[in-house]
Amino acid sequence: EAQVTQNPRYLITVTGKKLTVTCSQNMNHEYMSWYRQDPGLGLRQIYYSMNVEVTDKGDVPEGYKVSRKEKRNFPLILESPSPNQTSLYFCASSPLATLGEQYFGPGTRLTVT
Amino acid sequence: QKEVEQDPGPLSVPEGAIVSLNCTYSNSAFQYFMWYRQYSRKGPELLMYTYSSGNKEDGRFTAQVDKSSKYISLFIRDSQPSDSATYLCAMSKGGDDMRFGAGTRLTVKP
Repeated sequence: EAQVTQNPRYLITVTGKKLTVTCSQNMNHEYMSWYRQDPGLGLRQIYYSMNVEVTDKGDVPEGYKVSRKEKRNFPLILESPSPNQTSLYFCASSPLATLGEQYFGPGTRLTVT
Repeated sequence: QKEVEQDPGPLSVPEGAIVSLNCTYSNSAFQYFMWYRQYSRKGPELLMYTYSSGNKEDGRFTAQVDKSSKYISLFIRDSQPSDSATYLCAMSKGGDDMRFGAGTRLTVKP
């Protein structure tokens, strides 16, 4: 089954404790992206990657890091999480030819206390 | 001013009604327009994908783009309780710079 998977689905952590949210897709898509979703603000792009070893900042990259060492994986790293990073996070992937047709993962709900 | 404005609702309609969902935008460079549906506790899923102005129909769903007015719409005919979800509009200039609306929550009552 074609899908985007994220782990963990739920995470509660404390300020400053480094964490990684994994994202993997099995559709051989070149493009992958991370978003955060907050009430009233919709989806905002954090980082995106057009291919392996190619990443770029989205609208809200501060406090986040990403890497793309393999085509299928695109982990999101929070080196020192803060409470304002409490949010619902989505990973998405898409073929380069149709970038608007994004396939989303199920989401990771992160709470930073 | 946000680049993409979308009325958050909530919108409640009886089963069988025609639903109209709308977004306005400020950046005239947008040329790809999408509608996503998001069920509670799920990720968004693509409903409609259009390029430039015009209409596109897919079953009970019709997407309209009016670039001169910077206005896009999604119409749902014969709405069903299973259509109850949050609908997100999205748009981009070249595809890698997606901008999403805040979403409209729709409830279709049996």
